[in-house]
Amino acid sequence: NAGVMQNPRHLVRRRGQEARLRCSPMKGHSHVYWYRQLPEEGLKFMVYLQKENIIDESGMPKERFSAEFPKEGPSILRIQQVVRGDSAAYFCASSSTGSRDQPQHFGDGTRLSIL
Amino acid sequence: AQTVTQSQPEMSVQEAETVTLSCTYDTSESDYYLFWYKQPPSRQMILVIRQEAYKQQNATENRFSVNFQKAAKSFSLKISDSQLGDAAMYFCACKGYQKVTFGTGTKLQVIP
Repeated sequence: NAGVMQNPRHLVRRRGQEARLRCSPMKGHSHVYWYRQLPEEGLKFMVYLQKENIIDESGMPKERFSAEFPKEGPSILRIQQVVRGDSAAYFCASSSTGSRDQPQHFGDGTRLSIL
Repeated sequence: AQTVTQSQPEMSVQEAETVTLSCTYDTSESDYYLFWYKQPPSRQMILVIRQEAYKQQNATENRFSVNFQKAAKSFSLKISDSQLGDAAMYFCACKGYQKVTFGTGTKLQVIP
């Protein structure tokens, strides 16, 4: 299966802990996008990365959140000192290029629960 | 800036009937693409159909078709011969340069 792989599917953290969400894009894709979906809401753009570069992070909270997409390995969305409001589904999507005609292919998401 | 509006939080359709989901959008870009995604209870995001803004012809994928009215900035999804497996959240999305903006979704219920 060469689809977008996210892990873990479910992640439980206590307030104040760190959460690391991983995303391996589809084979041949070098553009990765992260979205957050709160219950009963649509997806909100967080950040767009290309290998080793952050292209657009306009949707990322200014504090506690960071993302990277290293030359080797998956993209990581990191949330430090988690709070209850961080509970959500986090989706990763990838595309082969950043051009408009390329649809984004989504992973199955990581459901983050904060106790 | 881009906005996508789905004004129908919930819709229902009888099995085998046809239903239309509404979507309006606004974008300052001249070149953009429009998409409909389906999210079943499993929470996967599945691409249903896409439309290139510079093409006047409405896109069609089997039982799914769109009514794209560029001047009105409207992009509705028609599902024909509805099936139980069509029950899901449907999200309209607009993709301009780099970023995709999603609507808030329409929950479709299919009644047997």
